[in-house]
Amino acid sequence: DIQMTQSPSTLSASVGDRVTITCRASQSISNWLAWYQQKPGKAPNLLIYRASTLQSGVPSRFSGSGSGTEFTLTISSLQPDDFATYYCQQYDSSPWTFGQGTKVKIK
Amino acid sequence: EVQLLESGGGLVQPGGSLRLSCEASGFIFSNYAMSWVRQAPGKGLEWLSATTGSGGNTYYARSVRGRFTISRDNSKNTLYLQMHSLRAEDTAVYYCVKEDKSGYSSGVFEYWGQGTLVTVSS
Repeated sequence: DIQMTQSPSTLSASVGDRVTITCRASQSISNWLAWYQQKPGKAPNLLIYRASTLQSGVPSRFSGSGSGTEFTLTISSLQPDDFATYYCQQYDSSPWTFGQGTKVKIK
Repeated sequence: EVQLLESGGGLVQPGGSLRLSCEASGFIFSNYAMSWVRQAPGKGLEWLSATTGSGGNTYYARSVRGRFTISRDNSKNTLYLQMHSLRAEDTAVYYCVKEDKSGYSSGVFEYWGQGTLVTVSS
């Protein structure tokens, strides 16, 4: 199975900060990577697929990049609604696997 | 508007069985692959199983293969997950998920239900 590793596990940031989360795959997954946002007590929400394609309705302050084994999710200017946990997920080969999550907290 | 409504969760004893249901609306159900994803309390996400739009192909994670069965009734717009031989480590919120393709499981989880909690405990 392909292992997905996110860093950091937790980050503290302020409103307006630029935030970057890294996701690494244990083998090349081309650009078959998605990012999800999950708020406490809620289901995850698809933000980005194919590493950099923004899902419809997702604010443009979110962006994704990378290919192969290293990927990043960037929030250009953190908003109050963005404090949440973020997960990367590979869909290059089954079983589809997720990173352990990155919790973005208020500094 | 896409809606996915799970039901069937609850408390079950170790070794027991449970069937989860997911009623879908707001899209042509038979046109899309569907998956189940779970999240243990305070933990991350784990994909469990998927089925193609027709239901003709199914896929499972190693952790549940042979114990869980995914199925769908396209006439009722409903997805199911039959779970047997439940263990304490199966305790989790189970999410029904709509994928973005039909003929195969793409692994892109486009829409999620609100989840149903399964607790395995004596």
